[in-house]
Amino acid sequence: EPEVTQTPSHQVTQMGQEVILRCVPISNHLYFYWYRQILGQKVEFLVSFYNNEISEKSEIFDDQFSVERPDGSNFTLKIRSTKLEDSAMYFCASSESLAGYSEQFFGPGTRLTVL
Amino acid sequence: SQQGEEDPQALSIQEGENATMNCSYKTSINNLQWYRQNSGRGLVHLILIRSNEREKHSGRLRVTLDTSKKSSSLLITASRAADTASYFCATRNSGNTPLVFGKGTRLSVIA
Repeated sequence: EPEVTQTPSHQVTQMGQEVILRCVPISNHLYFYWYRQILGQKVEFLVSFYNNEISEKSEIFDDQFSVERPDGSNFTLKIRSTKLEDSAMYFCASSESLAGYSEQFFGPGTRLTVL
Repeated sequence: SQQGEEDPQALSIQEGENATMNCSYKTSINNLQWYRQNSGRGLVHLILIRSNEREKHSGRLRVTLDTSKKSSSLLITASRAADTASYFCATRNSGNTPLVFGKGTRLSVIA
């Protein structure tokens, strides 16, 4: 069964460093998302992406964040200068369509630890 | 803003018993979805119920939706130890809006 994959599974970085989290969405999906979950808290939406541009973004997704689809398979989330509060689990998701009834398939997540 | 809130926050039951988790939200929705998350792992989609549906079944899962009360419930029948996980409801208030998750219910099924 096709699945969303994410690398790395765990990333440790120093405050102020740049990190890139990688995702490979399901191959025939056109819509991509990033969510994050701070330990013990809710899963929060960050950004959605379609046709090589951001469709929607939350207040969390400030200028420190960017997304890119550098080739036909990868979808990346970059944090330019990490802060302690960026420590969280980051989930990538993809869906076939943007329709409300279209299921979003989530990857296993990347645990980001900022020291 | 709409918000899914699950209760209870934690639930511990014996294997074979039924588990019921509830979710409340604040604004009108297009659909409501339930997800499972095993400890430290990704989110697994369980079931989606549309705003014009009242009940849906999938295997041992039964989801109800009461739009007048802005609430949903997830029932897991004949629970197994493998059902131990956190369960989240997530709402969508129109076709292309992002999912809004609740804080989840942590279910422990004791063998």
